[in-house]
Amino acid sequence: NAGVMQNPRHLVRRRGQEARLRCSPMKGHSHVYWYRQLPEEGLKFMVYLQKENIIDESGMPKERFSAEFPKEGPSILRIQQVVRGDSAAYFCASGYRGGVGNTEAFFGQGTRLTVV
Amino acid sequence: GEDVEQSLFLSVREGDSSVINCTYTDSSSTYLYWYKQEPGAGLQLLTYIFSNMDMKQDQRLTVLLNKKDKHLSLRIADTQTGDSAIYFCAFSDTGRRALTFGSGTRLQVQP
Repeated sequence: NAGVMQNPRHLVRRRGQEARLRCSPMKGHSHVYWYRQLPEEGLKFMVYLQKENIIDESGMPKERFSAEFPKEGPSILRIQQVVRGDSAAYFCASGYRGGVGNTEAFFGQGTRLTVV
Repeated sequence: GEDVEQSLFLSVREGDSSVINCTYTDSSSTYLYWYKQEPGAGLQLLTYIFSNMDMKQDQRLTVLLNKKDKHLSLRIADTQTGDSAIYFCAFSDTGRRALTFGSGTRLQVQP
């Protein structure tokens, strides 16, 4: 059973371009969480999705950021018109209802986005 | 929302015990976790404790929870160089599935 797979591991974008980050949850997991880690900081929650539904997007910036988790395929975090301040590590975690504490989450290795 | 504080840095000698501390503000936190992050890697869940527990021991790891002082600690016995990493405390409650993280403590183990 493969772990949570994120790709790409590293992504470089110029200011104004779009960034697409992919996350394939562990087999059998129907919940996906996206977190952002700025340099020298902890992880900040962005969005929580179940298949085809956004459950909690309270941590998502209001503009330029969107997320989806379609019925088939990976979850996608999309950042339009990237700016230098978007440079960060973006982590995806997956889980399932009934996991320990309801939110025991298995994390991917992250996508490190650099905006130049 | 939850405010979580951790000291930034801890240095210990190999073989000594390490104690990493975390304080929080929200008393509704139901589940409390410790994660380890090695350089360039994702987060690895080390251990967790429910809010109705005071202590949990798991091999070299001991978690202590003081609910009155809203203080959580992780003790690593016989610290090894492979324990060098950043350690994050994290919290969640039953009402909200997302985790709230501290800013992380960088543990450096000197040989």
